[in-house]
Amino acid sequence: GNSVTQMEGPVTLSEEAFLTINCTYTATGYPSLFWYVQYPGEGLQLLLKATKADDKGSNKGFEATYRKETTSFHLEKGSVQVSDSAVYFCALGSNTGKLIFGQGTTLQVKP
Amino acid sequence: GAVVSQHPSWVICKSGTSVKIECRSLDFQATTMFWYRQFPKQSLMLMATSNEGSKATYEQGVEKDKFLINHASLTLSTLTVTSAHPEDSSFYICSATNTGTGRVNEQFFGPGTRLTVL
Repeated sequence: GNSVTQMEGPVTLSEEAFLTINCTYTATGYPSLFWYVQYPGEGLQLLLKATKADDKGSNKGFEATYRKETTSFHLEKGSVQVSDSAVYFCALGSNTGKLIFGQGTTLQVKP
Repeated sequence: GAVVSQHPSWVICKSGTSVKIECRSLDFQATTMFWYRQFPKQSLMLMATSNEGSKATYEQGVEKDKFLINHASLTLSTLTVTSAHPEDSSFYICSATNTGTGRVNEQFFGPGTRLTVL
């Protein structure tokens, strides 16, 4: 079945460091891929998405490229800020409309 | 656009009572709504999918009679936790999607409801 695997956290970085959060998936067909962010005590917000192979989703300095050959959708940001501290979820959209989430990766950015 | 609200944002109840959580799409018609449960520091677990005007589809292992879902209109879905027990304490999150837009899988999430059962 479809599944999503994220790197385990927490990831702790200093401000302005480079961020990578790995995400790989298993799926049949060509699913859409998403990154969601969850700030403490809040629901999820869509950060970026990609709907087909080689698409690059980007938002707020974050980027992720849909790599079909490696079944990956790694999240990157060149220079993180303290305000980026949150939990990040990689998700796969199934053909039933459901989202399948990875386990989440906590990012802590220190000043 | 695409704002989803939940009410209440938090609730504390006694064991054995029932609690209703509302999920509303404020500026679009939600043909499908999803209910998730999230335990501390864990991922979201899909509980059920509800389509307006029809019965909800529950995921395996989710008790239908305990978690009653009603999707009576295109802007409102409710989750009622019946005879709540401490193990039902969790963060409940809803999401909504409008399949009519053709934007498949684009779910808009509510802010969540923190349920604590004493």
